[in-house]
Amino acid sequence: NAGVTQTPKFQVLKTGQSMTLQCAQDMNHNSMYWYRQDPGMGLRLIYYSASEGTTDKGEVPNGYNVSRLNKREFSLRLESAAPSQTSVYFCASSPGSYTDTQYFGPGTRLTVL
Amino acid sequence: DQQVKQNSPSLSVQEGRISILNCDYTNSMFDYFLWYKKYPAEGPTFLISISSIKDKNEDGRFTVFLNKSAKHLSLHIVPSQPGDSAVYFCAASLKTSYDKVIFGPGTSLSVIP
Repeated sequence: NAGVTQTPKFQVLKTGQSMTLQCAQDMNHNSMYWYRQDPGMGLRLIYYSASEGTTDKGEVPNGYNVSRLNKREFSLRLESAAPSQTSVYFCASSPGSYTDTQYFGPGTRLTVL
Repeated sequence: DQQVKQNSPSLSVQEGRISILNCDYTNSMFDYFLWYKKYPAEGPTFLISISSIKDKNEDGRFTVFLNKSAKHLSLHIVPSQPGDSAVYFCAASLKTSYDKVIFGPGTSLSVIP
């Protein structure tokens, strides 16, 4: 099992460019999440998907869109990147209950110039 | 305002001694707490959790203590090993928001051989 995979690992964008971060899990989990990690801020939830076909905003959704393509895949799109979106992005999945452990991918380091 | 706080950004401990990582939260409705560990260039991994109906949970060298009246939890690592050097995130979740977990900013632990 690969667990949670993310692509790409690194990306540099210019302000205004768009890109999609891909995430896939092979654990048959119902819930998937996108977080960003910034120094001194911990992990902040951007969007989550409680189950296939549903998505909801987290704490910091502005400037992002998501798609739960199927049970395995959950993508994060930046339509017009801004320097404030420079961060490390983590995708995670969990079976679904609030007490369930979340399993994280290795992260994508994004720099917006 | 951060709902989950880890007031020590870093901590250094000698190998073999006890490491104590602290976490405070503001929302008394949180009813489940988790600790995640993160190595550089990797995603966080689950370490240990505790339900609000308990005041202690132990797993090998790791013990989490919960003081609900003080809204405080702590992670004890005994004995500390160099491989424990990592960033530790405290996290809390709400039964009514079962898909959302609030993370603290993290504490970087260095275990000195």
